[in-house]
Amino acid sequence: QQQVKQSPQSLIVQKGGISIINCAYENTAFDYFPWYQQFPGKGPALLIAIRPDVSEKKEGRFTISFNKSAKQFSLHIMDSQPGDSATYFCAASTGNQFYFGTGTSLTVIP
Amino acid sequence: DAGITQSPRHKVTETGTPVTLRCHQTENHRYMYWYRQDPGHGLRLIHYSYGVKDTDKGEVSDGYSVSRSKTEDFLLTLESATSSQTSVYFCAINTGFGYTFGSGTRLTVV
Repeated sequence: QQQVKQSPQSLIVQKGGISIINCAYENTAFDYFPWYQQFPGKGPALLIAIRPDVSEKKEGRFTISFNKSAKQFSLHIMDSQPGDSATYFCAASTGNQFYFGTGTSLTVIP
Repeated sequence: DAGITQSPRHKVTETGTPVTLRCHQTENHRYMYWYRQDPGHGLRLIHYSYGVKDTDKGEVSDGYSVSRSKTEDFLLTLESATSSQTSVYFCAINTGFGYTFGSGTRLTVV
């Protein structure tokens, strides 16, 4: 059973556009929601994370929006750049175990 | 990357042979994990460890075993490799601020 559901599976965005990736979860015990970015041939790297006591967190062009009542959270990439082309994973955790979404392959077209 | 290394980076092995992958950390973190990454499935937990000689199964543990005799090393063994175990394997450590992943091992079972 997939603990974290992620969509879309793939996404193509024009340079300068907004990329949006969505995730949903069921377990209300989750208390930490990170996003990971993975480039080909590399391991996933922590991009940005949020805890459920805030509804939004912004770091540069990357923003997490969190809706606790809907049990959903999303990653927004503003002014998307070709260098943002990568696979993005959402995750949720409680304690020491993380549950990952299935990933979104983002392609930013110049 | 952040004190975690995996070896080998690439391996080709024959069906039925045993294979051991190594993960080494330099940061003395208690929790270590082994994941496999496959298209359409994202990151799936194989086994994890919460201390020396303390390990537990993840969601896809069949056909795999692990050992942790020292804090810094976490070994993943495929007892008798099968083609379905062709995958990219990632080790991760829990730093307290999220996971840090190694660079991965690409394993091909022929």
